[in-house]
Amino acid sequence: AQSVAQPEDQVNVAEGNPLTVKCTYSVSGNPYLFWYVQYPNRGLQFLLKYITGDNLVKGSYGFEAEFNKSQTSFHLKKPSALVSDSALYFCAVRDRGGFQKLVFGTGTRLLVSP
Amino acid sequence: NAGVTQTPKFQVLKTGQSMTLQCAQDMNHEYMSWYRQDPGMGLRLIHYSVGAGITDQGEVPNGYNVSRSTTEDFPLRLLSAAPSQTSVYFCASSYMGAEGEKLFFGSGTQLSVL
Repeated sequence: AQSVAQPEDQVNVAEGNPLTVKCTYSVSGNPYLFWYVQYPNRGLQFLLKYITGDNLVKGSYGFEAEFNKSQTSFHLKKPSALVSDSALYFCAVRDRGGFQKLVFGTGTRLLVSP
Repeated sequence: NAGVTQTPKFQVLKTGQSMTLQCAQDMNHEYMSWYRQDPGMGLRLIHYSVGAGITDQGEVPNGYNVSRSTTEDFPLRLLSAAPSQTSVYFCASSYMGAEGEKLFFGSGTQLSVL
């Protein structure tokens, strides 16, 4: 079965510093990978996706993600964190036979301190 | 543009009661789905629909029913609520197209079953 793992429950970073939120995947076939963000009391919002092509994917709010096939990883990155980036981040992979059937990771809470 | 609208935002039920969570989207999206979000487990797919009159089960369908009589609406029914169904429920929609791998989420329904 397709799956993703987010090994960190929480990531703490100071404002202005670079941030990385980790995600590894396990799939059969080509991976379709996504990052979503959830702000408090809100639904999830799409950040970016990897379907094919360049390994570095750029998304919303200055975020980017690096697809690494050899390490089966899809880490989310941002060069300079903002306090407003504090939220819950989910990595997801498209399930088999499933246009839009996503399998989500358990989420990583990002806390950016001033 | 309202996007995906879920009602109610909060609900408390007693074990055995029934209720319907409402979901409506005004973007003419073919695809709609229901997820539940539980602490430490990420989001799990309950049911989904690829168009009016077509529904299918996701990862955790037991205890839930759905129907899709119109493109706009995708209600989720709990026939006999159980404490294990205490969760936050999210409805999402998307369209079949170049950007169709992006899910649009509602703001969620927080359900407590006593």
